[in-house]
Amino acid sequence: NAGVTQTPKFRVLKTGQSMTLLCAQDMNHEYMYWYRQDPGMGLRLIHYSVGEGTTAKGEVPDGYNVSRLKKQNFLLGLESAAPSQTSVYFCASRVGLAGEQRTQYFGPGTRLLVL
Amino acid sequence: AQKVTQAQTEISVVEKEDVTLDCVYETRDTTYYLFWYKQPPSGELVFLIRRNSFDEQNEISGRYSWNFQKSTSSFNFTITASQVVDSAVYFCALSDRNQGGKLIFGQGTELSVKP
Repeated sequence: NAGVTQTPKFRVLKTGQSMTLLCAQDMNHEYMYWYRQDPGMGLRLIHYSVGEGTTAKGEVPDGYNVSRLKKQNFLLGLESAAPSQTSVYFCASRVGLAGEQRTQYFGPGTRLLVL
Repeated sequence: AQKVTQAQTEISVVEKEDVTLDCVYETRDTTYYLFWYKQPPSGELVFLIRRNSFDEQNEISGRYSWNFQKSTSSFNFTITASQVVDSAVYFCALSDRNQGGKLIFGQGTELSVKP
């Protein structure tokens, strides 16, 4: 049981390049999230999914797209990277809405540097 | 508005000292969930505890304890007899009922435990 995994761990992009971050979970969780962490700002929600085939915008969605074609995978895409997207990206998942199901479990993070 | 405030940006203590990390939250919901996560220097986010709004019992887990007080909207975290391995950034978070139950994070408190 690997929990939540993220690929890649680290990436350097040039402005304007595109890339996809992959998040995978093996816990059969319904909900999945993408957050970004910037210095002194905690974590902010980019996009989320409440189930296979569904996605929705979070607090800071501009410049990102997501897809959830399979329940276990949640992809985050940057179509044209900008230096402002330099950040650490975390994926998280949780079972559902009730009680302990609300606990989100995080992946190890992806460090992205956009030059 | 939903908000989490961790007023202590950095705390430095000497090993074996007790230390309390403060967390104050704002929410209009009557039912809500609070969390603490630990982010060690390696960068991952580790879940520590979840508390729901209708359970004000304090909790103790080894050297860790949590004090939840609805009257003051606080959910403070105490480490007793701190150790160097406790050095990390600690985040308090509130589960929002909107946006898929996203977590609203405080800015984090960086704890440094010196030998």
